[in-house]
Amino acid sequence: KQEVTQIPAALSVPEGENLVLNCSFTDSAIYNLQWFRQDPGKGLTSLLLIQSSQREQTSGRLNASLDKSSGRSTLYIAASQPGDSATYLCGGKAAGNKLTFGGGTRVLVKP
Amino acid sequence: KAGVTQTPRYLIKTRGQQVTLSCSPISGHRSVSWYQQTPGQGLQFLFEYFSETQRNKGNFPGRFSGRQFSNSRSEMNVSTLELGDSALYLCASSSPGTSGISTDTQYFGPGTRLTVL
Repeated sequence: KQEVTQIPAALSVPEGENLVLNCSFTDSAIYNLQWFRQDPGKGLTSLLLIQSSQREQTSGRLNASLDKSSGRSTLYIAASQPGDSATYLCGGKAAGNKLTFGGGTRVLVKP
Repeated sequence: KAGVTQTPRYLIKTRGQQVTLSCSPISGHRSVSWYQQTPGQGLQFLFEYFSETQRNKGNFPGRFSGRQFSNSRSEMNVSTLELGDSALYLCASSSPGTSGISTDTQYFGPGTRLTVL
């Protein structure tokens, strides 16, 4: 059974600092891992998708890595801005074609 | 291309009632999944539909059911509502590969906020 963990649960950084968000999963037979952003009371916005055959994906200031052997994915956000304040969720897709989510990391970027 | 839409956005019901939520996927997407999000349990998978068939189901009681229509729109029904069913219900659509396992991005709708009094 896939279990996904995100540590820390909350993070506060000054504007301009780089953000490092961690995601751990137990089932290495993962098809892909997706990072999402969620603003309060809203749905999930997809940020990056990494296939199991990939090690890394980049989009603008965002970079996500995937290490299946260690069961870890990391989302890096460069030069954080107050608009990056949100909850970030990772979801791993293994057997059953469903996403198993971590509890999320709530990020606050202070101006 | 229009995104995933969900209706209604907000619902208030009382215990014992039933409710139906609707989800329209992105055009061309045939897989629709439903998730429940609560502060205590986080995001949990309810079920997935593909070509009008339920393919996967999470660990929820039989009060939770769903269906998918030929145009890929999906509905979710919760009968005999309980206080603990208060949650944000999210649906997601994706375009599965030929193997049936989607390697594509899942796109989420804005959710339906259900409050049970």
